[in-house]
Amino acid sequence: EVQLLESGGGLIQPGGSLRLSCAASGFTFSIYTMNWVRQAPGMGPEWLSSISNTGSKMYYADSVRGRFTISRDNAKNSVYLEMNSLRAEDTAVYYCARGPSALLEDWGQGTLVTVSS
Amino acid sequence: DVVMTQSPLSLPVTLGQPASISCKSSQSLLYSDGDTYLNWFQQRPGQSPRRLIYKVSNRDSGVPDRFSGSGSGTDFTLKISRVEAEDVGVYYCMQGTYWPRTFGQGTRVEIK
Repeated sequence: EVQLLESGGGLIQPGGSLRLSCAASGFTFSIYTMNWVRQAPGMGPEWLSSISNTGSKMYYADSVRGRFTISRDNAKNSVYLEMNSLRAEDTAVYYCARGPSALLEDWGQGTLVTVSS
Repeated sequence: DVVMTQSPLSLPVTLGQPASISCKSSQSLLYSDGDTYLNWFQQRPGQSPRRLIYKVSNRDSGVPDRFSGSGSGTDFTLKISRVEAEDVGVYYCMQGTYWPRTFGQGTRVEIK
């Protein structure tokens, strides 16, 4: 069974940094593209970033490019999202998702990030 | 960015009756590889999104056959042949043809 478990969310002040993690199990992690998607309260999902299976290619939404960095460690079956210069509008549930970004096959349960003073 | 427009935004349905959700994209979603990357997701209350349909009309494993997807180009539809109580939630279409990937605003399905 595919499992994606996000962690690292919490309350952070504006301008702060946070690192999210997603631990994957139940599939061969190293052959899959991985993604981060967020959902602000009461809103639809927003795709943020994708990383190829080897980690050689990364893609970002304009809203986070230059502030967020996606990375992965295939030895640890994990994908990460380093978030800097956080703003109030970054408040959302952050999900990791498996598969090509065009398809987003499976999603984790999410981790809540709240940016507030 | 490609804009995905869903209608209606709220859909009250009687149990056992059909339901239909429209999704229109601002550009054709036909990709150069011949596929159309239009997906449908269901988000039940308090849960994360779950993919139901990929590439217009392909049902995911475990998805009941009362769910079906259709369409082409810029116009797509998700149909539920007979709504059940477990179908309550918000449904999103998503395009994967262009960067950035974008979602519709969502359609809330509720029982009358």
